[in-house]
Amino acid sequence: DSGVTQTPKHLITATGQRVTLRCSPRSGDLSVYWYQQSLDQGLQFLIQYYNGEERAKGNILERFSAQQFPDLHSELNLSSLELGDSALYFCASSVRLNSPLHFGNGTRLTVT
Amino acid sequence: LAKTTQPISMDSYEGQEVNITCSHNNIATNDYITWYQQFPSQGPRFIIQGYKTKVTNEVASLFIPADRKSSTLSLPRVSLSDTAVYYCLVGSNTGGFKTIFGAGTRLFVKA
Repeated sequence: DSGVTQTPKHLITATGQRVTLRCSPRSGDLSVYWYQQSLDQGLQFLIQYYNGEERAKGNILERFSAQQFPDLHSELNLSSLELGDSALYFCASSVRLNSPLHFGNGTRLTVT
Repeated sequence: LAKTTQPISMDSYEGQEVNITCSHNNIATNDYITWYQQFPSQGPRFIIQGYKTKVTNEVASLFIPADRKSSTLSLPRVSLSDTAVYYCLVGSNTGGFKTIFGAGTRLFVKA
């Protein structure tokens, strides 16, 4: 158990809808990262927060947004969903910017 | 941000030592090298991290030559459960920190 909690585990929704994925980092970790992994694809870095502030951005679509709250949990919002957004979405956390990442078990999003 | 190159796949047999090499020619002075393991439908799991020379923990060793342009993850006596994808990452906290995963190396351990 990595200590990173992601909810929900599974999510099935229709095209055009909006969903929110939630992540609780390990206790004491200040940095949160979001990744997308499509079937048989690599991990695509989306965005990183450190202590509530956006620190780095990857290839995150404009339809996607995220934030990290004062209690350090994070949410990833996906809107106007398309079939191609179906993927595993992982959250990871680390205590410092250069520390190893600890990943949650992911949220499997299926867009129909 | 240093780009990494790893073999796409490797095969091994149970009980053998496996060495996976990662090239990172453009590694910067402040960059660390980190390896992760990922099983299907699970999040990656941290294996080992190093900056230079050799690092060893209970599951693996990491060898980094003096020029730091490559690194080798060594898994002693692999078992079937070591079949997974292994990622090499290089990054630092200077100029905005991005943890970019490459394609990784698919290790298949046979009985």
